[in-house]
Amino acid sequence: DAGVTQSPTHLIKTRGQQVTLRCSPKSGHDTVSWYQQALGQGPQFIFQYYEEEERQRGNFPDRFSGHQFPNYSSELNVNALLLGDSALYLCASSLRQVYGYTFGSGTRLTVV
Amino acid sequence: KNQVEQSPQSLIILEGKNCTLQCNYTVSPFSNLRWYKQDTGRGPVSLTIMTFSENTKSNGRYTATLDADTKQSSLHITASQLSDSASYICVVRRLSGGSYIPTFGRGTSLIVHP
Repeated sequence: DAGVTQSPTHLIKTRGQQVTLRCSPKSGHDTVSWYQQALGQGPQFIFQYYEEEERQRGNFPDRFSGHQFPNYSSELNVNALLLGDSALYLCASSLRQVYGYTFGSGTRLTVV
Repeated sequence: KNQVEQSPQSLIILEGKNCTLQCNYTVSPFSNLRWYKQDTGRGPVSLTIMTFSENTKSNGRYTATLDADTKQSSLHITASQLSDSASYICVVRRLSGGSYIPTFGRGTSLIVHP
């Protein structure tokens, strides 16, 4: 039973570029949440997708957008990258927005 | 303001010793509180989850307590092992607009020395 899988594991981008991160939820889960974790900090909630719609959003600018597909997988897109966007991006899946969250191992994004 | 504060920020102990990590929160309305263990560069893994009516919950050598009146939680690790070296994150969820929104603490970095 595969857990939450994220791709790629590492990524280096140049300031001003755009990036897409991908997440496949744990089997049986239908809700995907995205988090940004800066070095030495706790994760910060970006947004949550359920039934292919953004249901909740944290305090992140519109440069951060996402999508959920019919198979429950999800993408996180970040436009006009800033140096401060460098972080570990975590995806977590759950069932119906309520039950236990399972985290992926994350994508380490470095903006240079 | 919904906040989760953890202490200490970092902790170094010897293998075999016990330790206690603290979590204070102001999140409201409270739904549940989870402790996660996060190894460096990895995603967090859930250790315990506690709801309003639960005071204590154990998972092997990990025991979490919750005082909903004072809005405090602790994670006690017994007979520490080298593999316990990690960041321990306290997460408190509140119910908002039909969804459960998490607020994460910054974590306590635990280092266990042989």
